Amino acid sequence: SQTIHQWPATLVQPVGSPLSLECTVEGTSNPNLYWYRQAAGRGLQLLFYSVGIGQISSEVPQNLSASRPQDRQFILSSKKLLLSDSGFYLCAWKLSDLTDTQYFGPGTRLTVL
Amino acid sequence: TQLLEQSPQFLSIQEGENLTVYCNSSSVFSSLQWYRQEPGEGPVLLVTVVTGGEVKKLKRLTFQFGDARKDSSLHITAAQPGDTGLYLCAGVGADGLTFGKGTHLIIQP
Repeated sequence: SQTIHQWPATLVQPVGSPLSLECTVEGTSNPNLYWYRQAAGRGLQLLFYSVGIGQISSEVPQNLSASRPQDRQFILSSKKLLLSDSGFYLCAWKLSDLTDTQYFGPGTRLTVL
Repeated sequence: TQLLEQSPQFLSIQEGENLTVYCNSSSVFSSLQWYRQEPGEGPVLLVTVVTGGEVKKLKRLTFQFGDARKDSSLHITAAQPGDTGLYLCAGVGADGLTFGKGTHLIIQP
């Protein structure tokens, strides 16, 4: 069966510090991968998605970036965090473009102070 | 930009009561999904409705997709404390999933 992992589970970082959040998927190959941010009162906002290694599409211009160095690894990064980057970051995967069902990871709660 | 409006935003009721929450849009979606999310966890898919007018039942939960495929409702019968959570609807379109802001549901024992 497939599983999705995210770490860390929680993170408190000062403004201006760098960020690296990691997401890995097990039990499948060549999944579509997604990064969402969920802020209070704003719902889930799609940040990035990837259909393959090295292929990243950005949905929202901001100071975040994403990378996919391996088939089942998706990383969200920032060089300098802003207060507005606080939120709950969710990684999700789906089998392919032929399905609409996404499976979400447990999330990372990021607080920028 | 496709938008999904969910109502009510917050709902707190007593155990055993019935409730309905709504998901409305001015856009047509190829299908619509409902998720439940518990605090500190990722959303979990409950159901996908595809056909206009479709009704799906999941134990005490009844999901309906509008005839025009622009709106949906979730009805819970005899709510239980275990139903507590954030209920999200998501429209499936050409650009992927569009999520509503969710309904925060609290079932008090």
